[in-house]
Parts: sequence; structure tokens; C-alpha cells
Amino acid sequence: AQSVSQHNHHVILSEAASLELGCNYSYGGTVNLFWYVQYPGQHLQLLLKYFSGDPLVKGIKGFEAEFIKSKFSFNLRKPSVQWSDTAEYFCAGSAGDSNYQLIWGAGTKLIIKP
Amino acid sequence: EAQVTQNPRYLITVTGKKLTVTCSQNMNHEYMSWYRQDPGLGLRQIYYSMNVEVTDKGDVPEGYKVSRKEKRNFPLILESPSPNQTSLYFCASSSTDSGRDRYEQYFGPGTRLTVT
Repeated sequence: AQSVSQHNHHVILSEAASLELGCNYSYGGTVNLFWYVQYPGQHLQLLLKYFSGDPLVKGIKGFEAEFIKSKFSFNLRKPSVQWSDTAEYFCAGSAGDSNYQLIWGAGTKLIIKP
Repeated sequence: EAQVTQNPRYLITVTGKKLTVTCSQNMNHEYMSWYRQDPGLGLRQIYYSMNVEVTDKGDVPEGYKVSRKEKRNFPLILESPSPNQTSLYFCASSSTDSGRDRYEQYFGPGTRLTVT
């Protein structure tokens, strides 16, 4: 069965530290991959997405992710985090064309210490 | 402004009392979906709809109903709520056109439901 897994359920960092959140997906072929962020008390917002082309995708708020097909990974990165990045981050994916069903990772709660 | 709206945002109810959570989007999206979010379980899909009068079960459909009579609306119905349906519910929509927003899901603000 298709799945998306996020390795870390909780991450605590200090401000200005570098961030990398892991995401792996289980299916081959064409994939569409997303990272969403949920700030405390808010709804999910799209950070970035990958459909095809350049495997390094840049999103909002200084986030980026790299699609590595050989590793089935789509890790989220940010070189220097801020206290306002405290949130829960979700990786999601869908397989193939015309597949609108997203499969979700369990989420990673990120806490940034000021 | 493009948005997905949900009502109510907060609801406390008792076991067995039927309720409806409304969802509406103004982006003319074909695809709509309901999720529930529980601590440690991430997002789990309840039902989804590819277009008007086309609905299908997600991963956790038991105890829920939906309808899609109009393109913009996708209400979630709990005929007889139980305490295990206490959760945070999100509605989402997506375009199926071959544009840059294809597959991207837009989320509503969430409905926090407590069933006692």
C-alpha cells in the first residue's frame, strides 16, 4: 500500500539552527509531493510542492525541499529557523496523474526555543 | 478572496444528537474532501467528492455521511454522534484542471467538535 512516513514526531531546535525534516514515500512512478504547515490553532497551509522538473523546490518563508527519487525522499529544509516557525509540518503525496487523493504523513511538531 | 469556509468553528454536543458541519468553497473546485485530525494520527480522510453527486469513502467513513448537491458545498453529517467522533475536522478542496494549482488542497479553518 502507498504510504508517506515522517521520521520525527517532535523536533526541538534553538533559533538560528538549521532544520531538516524527513519524509519518505513508498510508491514509484509519477508522484506529486507536498509539505503543509499548521501553525498553532490554524488550518493547514501549503509550504511547497513538487510535481516534476527541478528536484529542488523552494517554498514560502525560506523553506525548500529536495526530491530524491532514488531514496524515495522529499525532505524539508530551512537554513536558519525562527521562533515563528513553531508549528506542525505535514508531508503528503499522491501517485500518478489524475490522482487527487493525498496520502498524509503523521506530522512533525517543531518547537523553536527563543 | 479564494477560501474554504466551515461552520461552525466550535461545537459541543451530546451523544446521538444529529449535526451537520457545513463546508463551502468559492474557487469552483471539483474535488472536495473531509478529514479528521487527532493527536498522533495526523490527517485521516473521511469522505471525498470528485464532483457534484459523486462521493466516495475515505479511510474512516463509519458514522459519517456527506452530500454534494452543489459544486461549492460539501456538508458533513453525523447522524448519531458518539464520543469517539470528538476531533478536529477539516474540509479541503482542489482543482482538477491542468493548471499550476492542480492537486494542491486548500483547507478550511477547521471545526472542533466535542461529543459528550
